[in-house]
Amino acid sequence: EVQLLESGGRLVRPGGSVRLSCVASGFSFSTNAMSWVRQAPGKGLEWVAAINAGGGTTQYIDSVKGRFTLSRDNSKNTLYLQMSSLRAEDTAVYYCAKDILEWTLRGFFDSWGQGTLVTVSS
Amino acid sequence: DIQMTQSPSTLSASIGDRVTIICRASQSISDWLAWYQQKPGKAPRLLIHRASTLQSGVPSRFSGSGSGTEFTLTISSLQPDDFATYYCQQCKSYSWTFGQGTKVEIK
Repeated sequence: EVQLLESGGRLVRPGGSVRLSCVASGFSFSTNAMSWVRQAPGKGLEWVAAINAGGGTTQYIDSVKGRFTLSRDNSKNTLYLQMSSLRAEDTAVYYCAKDILEWTLRGFFDSWGQGTLVTVSS
Repeated sequence: DIQMTQSPSTLSASIGDRVTIICRASQSISDWLAWYQQKPGKAPRLLIHRASTLQSGVPSRFSGSGSGTEFTLTISSLQPDDFATYYCQQCKSYSWTFGQGTKVEIK
């Protein structure tokens, strides 16, 4: 059974930083692209960032470019999202999501974690 | 970025009804479209990808169609478990984008 377990969400001040983690199990993590998708309270879904299986290619939504860094450690089956210069509009539940195809960045997410809440507020 | 627009935003229906949700893309996305179901407090669930391919384990009452800029999600006979919010999503080009969602409510 595929499991994705996010952690790291917390209350952080504007301008602050936080690192989210997503530990994967039940599938070949090292051969699957991964993404983070967020959902502000009461709002819809927004894709944030994606990384290919090897970690050498990343893509970001414009609003987080230069502030967020996506990485992965395939030896630990773990995905990371380093978030800095945080703004109130970054407040959301952040979901880790597995891409449906192996090796390639495809953008269809067939497994999701339960989410971790990041609240940016003074 | 490609904009995805769903209609309606809210839909009231009864058990057994046939339900159709429309998703329109601001430019052609071929068939690079997915549909997700989300219930309150839960993560989204993939229902359909490549516009019409039913994800494993999803009931056959769900179907998807369309290509280019107009797509539909159809639930052939609405069941109690289907009351939820549905999102379309394109992955033709970055940034991958979602529609604003369609909430299916009990009539």
